[in-house]
Amino acid sequence: EVQVVESGGGLVQPGGSLRLSCAASGFTFSKYWMSWVRQAPGKGLEWMASIKEDGSEKSYVDSVKGRFTISRDNDKNSLFLQMNSLRGDDTAIYYCVRGPGAAFDYWGQGTPVTVSS
Amino acid sequence: DIQLTQSPSSLSASVGDRVTITCQASHDIGSYLNWYHHKPGKAPQLLIYGAVSLQSGVTSRFSGSKSGTDFTLTISSLQPEDLGTYYCQQSYSTPLTFGQGTKLDIK
Repeated sequence: EVQVVESGGGLVQPGGSLRLSCAASGFTFSKYWMSWVRQAPGKGLEWMASIKEDGSEKSYVDSVKGRFTISRDNDKNSLFLQMNSLRGDDTAIYYCVRGPGAAFDYWGQGTPVTVSS
Repeated sequence: DIQLTQSPSSLSASVGDRVTITCQASHDIGSYLNWYHHKPGKAPQLLIYGAVSLQSGVTSRFSGSKSGTDFTLTISSLQPEDLGTYYCQQSYSTPLTFGQGTKLDIK
């Protein structure tokens, strides 16, 4: 069974940093693009970042470029999101997602991030 | 950036009704359009990919269609478990974008 499980969310002050992790199982992790998608309170889904199978290509939404870094460890079947210079509008549930290939086909339950003083 | 406009933004329907949700793309995206169902507190679920292909394990009550830059998700016979929010998403180009969502309630 394909599973992706996020961890690392929590409360952080504006300007602070947080590192999210995602543990993948049930599929050959190194053969899939992986992504982070978030949902702010009362808002819709927003794509954040994606990383190629071997980590050689990364792409980001403009609002997080230079602040967030996506990375992966294929030996440990893990995906990461390093978030720096956090702002109030980064408050959201962050989902680890398999894809995009054709689509985002498997999603985790999400980890909440709250940026507040 | 490619904008996706969903309509309606919300709707209420009865069990057994046929429900349609539309998604209009601001540019030609071919068939690179996907549909998701999201229940509160749950992981979003992929329903349709490539505009018309049913994701494995998803009930055939869901179907997708395409006409130019207009895309449609149809639920043939609404069931209570179908409540939640439906999103379209384009995988044609980055930034990957979602529609604003359609919230579906059961009467």
